[in-house]
This record gives sequence, structure tokens and C-alpha cells, in this order.
Amino acid sequence: DGGITQSPKYLFRKEGQNVTLSCEQNLNHDAMYWYRQDPGQGLRLIYYSQIVNDFQKGDIAEGYSVSREKKESFPLTVTSAQKNPTAFYLCASSPGQGRTNTGELFFGEGSRLTVL
Amino acid sequence: SQQGEEDPQALSIQEGENATMNCSYKTSINNLQWYRQNSGRGLVHLILIRSNEREKHSGRLRVTLDTSKKSSSLLITASRAADTASYFCATLWINTDKLIFGTGTRLQVFP
Repeated sequence: DGGITQSPKYLFRKEGQNVTLSCEQNLNHDAMYWYRQDPGQGLRLIYYSQIVNDFQKGDIAEGYSVSREKKESFPLTVTSAQKNPTAFYLCASSPGQGRTNTGELFFGEGSRLTVL
Repeated sequence: SQQGEEDPQALSIQEGENATMNCSYKTSINNLQWYRQNSGRGLVHLILIRSNEREKHSGRLRVTLDTSKKSSSLLITASRAADTASYFCATLWINTDKLIFGTGTRLQVFP
């Protein structure tokens, strides 16, 4: 089935450690996004990529890094520089640019990161 | 903040009643979308309304858009317990590919 797969679903990290969250899609979408969600709040954009080998910072990129070496994959690294990394992380994709693009997003099931 | 605002933050109703959620946003948009999120899960797209549309229906969902007031509403008719979830509006800003999400409304439908 086509969709977006995020892993791991739950992750625990000690302070000072980097951690990488995986996001893979088989929808043949050009654009991919990472959002952060804190309890009882909306989604905030971390990074997004509209094409392979290119990505842009979102509203809260500090302390995070990404890569887009393949169309299907957009991993997010939460670095030790992120001051408050405990959150629910959501990956999404969309068909991408173009006049027919509505911006509709297809989401994965999320990864919950807890820093101990 | 770039985020839109939704109200109410939380809504509790009985099965069979209608649920109305409102969304306000801050800039000119290409379209406005509504998403649903079950607890601890990803978001699912429900409905999209373009900036030149005023009302749209999909099943038990009715969405209105007032671009002069920069606001939208989502009406769920004849609510069911399975409608219990958080609902988010999201706006696609003109000339961007970024979707900006509101703060969400938590809907609880009691059997």
C-alpha cells in the first residue's frame, strides 16, 4: 500500500545525544515536510524539501538537521543543540510544486521522542 | 506567531448533535484545509476549500470560508462517537508551498 512510514514510533534519548528519525514515502511525491507537535498544540514546521538534494528551513529549524539524498527519504536529526526536543514529530509529503498542487499533505503516524 | 487560531479549544457534545469549529488566519491564502487527528496518530486530510469558494460539502462535513474576515468554519452534522478527535485548519499561503496549521479544536462526542 502507498503511504508514509515513520520510524521508530517511540524513542528515548539521553540529554546530549543526537537522534535520527526516519521518514520514507512510496507515493512518488516531490515534497516532504517535518513538523513538530507539542501537547495540546498545533503543528510547527521544522524543515521542508521540494526536490531531491534541496531543503529549506521552516519556522523552528534551530537544533535540527535534514538530508534529502533520495526522493523517497527525508530523515530528521534532532541534535544536542535542540533545547527542548521532547515532542511528537510528524513527517508529511505532497505532490509538490505546480499549478495543480493544492498543498494537501499526507502524514505518517508520527514518532514520539522523549529526552530523559 | 504565524499560526492560525481555532476556537473553541475544546468541545464536548452528545451523539447526534452538530459540532461547529472556527478558524481564523492572518494573511492572504490560496486555500484552506481541515485535518483530523486521532490521539497519538498522524493527521488525515478531510476537506479543502479554495480562496474563491464560499462553501463546500463532503458527507457530514460543511466548510465555509470568509476571506474578508479571514475566517473559516467546519460543521460536522449528526456527530458520532467515532468523530472524537482533534481538528486542525491549515492555510496554504499565496506563492508558497508551506501549509500553516492552526492550534486545533479537541472534539469529544459522548455516546
